[in-house]
Amino acid sequence: DAGITQSPRHKVTETGTPVTLRCHQTENHRYMYWYRQDPGHGLRLIHYSYGVKDTDKGEVSDGYSVSRSKTEDFLLTLESATSSQTSVYFCAISGDRGSPLHFGNGTRLTVT
Amino acid sequence: RKEVEQDPGPFNVPEGATVAFNCTYSNSASQSFFWYRQDCRKEPKLLMSVYSSGNEDGRFTAQLNRASQYISLLIRDSKLSDSATYLCVVATPGGTSYGKLTFGQGTILTVHP
Repeated sequence: DAGITQSPRHKVTETGTPVTLRCHQTENHRYMYWYRQDPGHGLRLIHYSYGVKDTDKGEVSDGYSVSRSKTEDFLLTLESATSSQTSVYFCAISGDRGSPLHFGNGTRLTVT
Repeated sequence: RKEVEQDPGPFNVPEGATVAFNCTYSNSASQSFFWYRQDCRKEPKLLMSVYSSGNEDGRFTAQLNRASQYISLLIRDSKLSDSATYLCVVATPGGTSYGKLTFGQGTILTVHP
């Protein structure tokens, strides 16, 4: 399995609080992604990174920010969590454009 | 029309059955295709890439039909452990720096004794 770790695995937080999810990889892959998965919507891309300090928005980026200061770490921040951000968040990595993704085991976030 | 469409199922089949899923895509510029499986409350895992000539991995066969813009996954001799959601993924080159990966909503397969 690809060396990719997400933390925390589960989190419950209150509306309005900031939350940061971490993705750590040991594969030295260039591309890293954050997805959310919700019933009826499938997997949707939030943000992605194509290198250190190089990031761009995905299709559902509102309310989220990311940072990548090192190749191995990609952080997703919810500046002020809302109940609509209750979801399962997956980080993924790939070595090249168009290559298959390898996913972390997910973070289950509940915003109350 | 959705960029990637799959029949959500569920498909309920007995052990030993052969089952096939199709996935259609709308962008003719799409270049790479994959099938993933996702178990309940787990992350998606790559099952196989789909090549133009078709490819096989044990009981699993993937086919690509560019003219009709669909890919298929055939599972022979179904096992209980094949029960999962199968996701179709299509990669399309685009203006973004990563190329665009689009996921289908998934097809649910349940294999029963």
